Amino acid sequence: DAGVTQSPTHLIKTRGQQVTLRCSPKSGHDTVSWYQQALGQGPQFIFQYYEEEERQRGNFPDRFSGHQFPNYSSELNVNALLLGDSALYLCASSSTLYRAAAFSTDTQYFGPGTRLTVL
Amino acid sequence: RKEVEQDPGPFNVPEGATVAFNCTYSNSASQSFFWYRQDCRKEPKLLMSVYSSGNEDGRFTAQLNRASQYISLLIRDSKLSDSATYLCVVGRVSGGYNKLIFGAGTRLAVHP
Repeated sequence: DAGVTQSPTHLIKTRGQQVTLRCSPKSGHDTVSWYQQALGQGPQFIFQYYEEEERQRGNFPDRFSGHQFPNYSSELNVNALLLGDSALYLCASSSTLYRAAAFSTDTQYFGPGTRLTVL
Repeated sequence: RKEVEQDPGPFNVPEGATVAFNCTYSNSASQSFFWYRQDCRKEPKLLMSVYSSGNEDGRFTAQLNRASQYISLLIRDSKLSDSATYLCVVGRVSGGYNKLIFGAGTRLAVHP
């Protein structure tokens, strides 16, 4: 059973460039969340995709965009890179059904991450 | 103020010691609670979910106090392999979808 996979593992870009990161969720999972983890910090939520739509978004500018494909895999795109975008980008997958009830206990499983360095 | 607060540590303890980590969260709408473990330059991995009744998994015990908005993790008989960063995580449902909010983590170093 393949876990969450991400590519590439490392990436070096320069300011102003654009980058695309990829994620394949764990088998059986249909929801993908993206996080940014700066050095010494916990992961910060960027956005979440389910049924090929962005369902939730954290406090990140529009330079950060994403996509989910019919096979549930996902891409994170970052435009006009800044030095401050240097971080570990983590993808997490889960199996979430839309529920009318308020409580959800879905557990998110993380991929190994893509380490982005912006010079 | 951060939504999930943890003591960053580091906690330096000898093998065999008992160590406790605390965490507070500010949003009373938080509904699910977890501890994740993150090794250096690796991804976070789920250590355990935390329930109001408290739960135990081997040497690890987690407690949740909803009234005080406080979560704890106790590690007994520490092993060298327990050295890692422990992330306190709360989940909230927004529009039907679960969102996880992470603390900055508490670093544990277990020495011989």
